[in-house]
Amino acid sequence: DQQVKQNSPSLSVQEGRISILNCDYTNSMFDYFLWYKKYPAEGPTFLISISSIKDKNEDGRFTVFLNKSAKHLSLHIVPSQPGDSAVYFCAATISGNNDMRFGAGTRLTVKP
Amino acid sequence: DTAVSQTPKYLVTQMGNDKSIKCEQNLGHDTMYWYKQDSKKFLKIMFSYNNKELIINETVPNRFSPKSPDKAHLNLHINSLELGDSAVYFCASSQDLPWTSGGQETQYFGPGTRLLVL
Repeated sequence: DQQVKQNSPSLSVQEGRISILNCDYTNSMFDYFLWYKKYPAEGPTFLISISSIKDKNEDGRFTVFLNKSAKHLSLHIVPSQPGDSAVYFCAATISGNNDMRFGAGTRLTVKP
Repeated sequence: DTAVSQTPKYLVTQMGNDKSIKCEQNLGHDTMYWYKQDSKKFLKIMFSYNNKELIINETVPNRFSPKSPDKAHLNLHINSLELGDSAVYFCASSQDLPWTSGGQETQYFGPGTRLLVL
């Protein structure tokens, strides 16, 4: 039962443009969400997170938006750079539950 | 000086064998984790240790057992390996649990151990 879904396995954008990575979840109890970035042959790297009490969190070029009613979150990267090319994982957790669910990842390719 | 290290990086073994994967973190973190990335690329949490105490066991078979000799190490022992155990196993650490505010929740991952059971 995949409670966190990333329906786009891949995304390709031009350098300088916006990259939008999407994530949907089914469990309304999730109240904390994270995005990780992963390069080949390396472990995931934490990018940005958001609590369910917020609908937006920004860190430099990265912004995460949360739509609780739609059970949807998205990661915006502006402007996209070739070094952003990686697999991006969305994750969700329930505070106090010590559990974390990951999506299957979206491979982002930023073309120069 | 790698923050989270795992050994070995690759592990090829026969069905039925017992093997261990080691993990060490030099970040002074209180919490360590083991994840399994299956063939569909889903990352699933297996265990986490907080201050040497197991606080999660994500319905993994009891053939898998985490061992934490100290706060900096969380080793994964696997008994009677099966074909379905083939996967990439990631170790991670964080100062505190994932949802803690103040930026403490960042998990630092190791490079992964690619296990192939033949």
